[in-house]
Amino acid sequence: GQQVMQIPQYQHVQEGEDFTTYCNSSTTLSNIQWYKQRPGGHPVFLIQLVKSGEVKKQKRLTFQFGEAKKNSSLHITATQTTDVGTYFCAGDRGAGNMLTFGGGTRLMVKP
Amino acid sequence: GAVVSQHPSRVICKSGTSVKIECRSLDFQATTMFWYRQFPKQSLMLMATSNEGSKATYEQGVEKDKFLINHASLTLSTLTVTSAHPEDSSFYICSGVSGISKNIQYFGAGTRLSVL
Repeated sequence: GQQVMQIPQYQHVQEGEDFTTYCNSSTTLSNIQWYKQRPGGHPVFLIQLVKSGEVKKQKRLTFQFGEAKKNSSLHITATQTTDVGTYFCAGDRGAGNMLTFGGGTRLMVKP
Repeated sequence: GAVVSQHPSRVICKSGTSVKIECRSLDFQATTMFWYRQFPKQSLMLMATSNEGSKATYEQGVEKDKFLINHASLTLSTLTVTSAHPEDSSFYICSGVSGISKNIQYFGAGTRLSVL
């Protein structure tokens, strides 16, 4: 079945440093979504990427979708303590709205 | 964004009892709802897909007689953990998909189940 791998599992950064998480799918995706889950909370939708090579920005967050639509990345510039949480990518299987979630990257930011 | 309400947020029960978890879409009609299980510091594992008015589709390895899903309306899906055992203790999260936002999933706050 489809697998979505995400690295790294954990990342500690000093406030102000940049952060990147990478997502790789074993199969070509129709689209990819990113979610953020704060400690003790539930996943919250951040963005969806659909087109090959697509790049989207949300303030300090930059999302990319690979040309082959099998990988994606999320880059945060100048992290803040409010960025703390686990970031999940989720690949759309293309049928029935089902998503396959990556393992997540837990971001910890030291003030 | 769309709001999904999940209740209860936390439940503690004795082994052998059944627990029902409700998932409601408050401001949209959820044609499809999903039920996930999440272990501490791990990812979300899809348990089943719930479509209004039809039987749920369970992922491989998930016992359908153990985890009963009912999607009786476009705004309500329920998950019943039958004859719960300590190994069923986990964080259960539902999500809903509206016809407008297509495949974007809106998550409930989750239910932390502890079986003694």
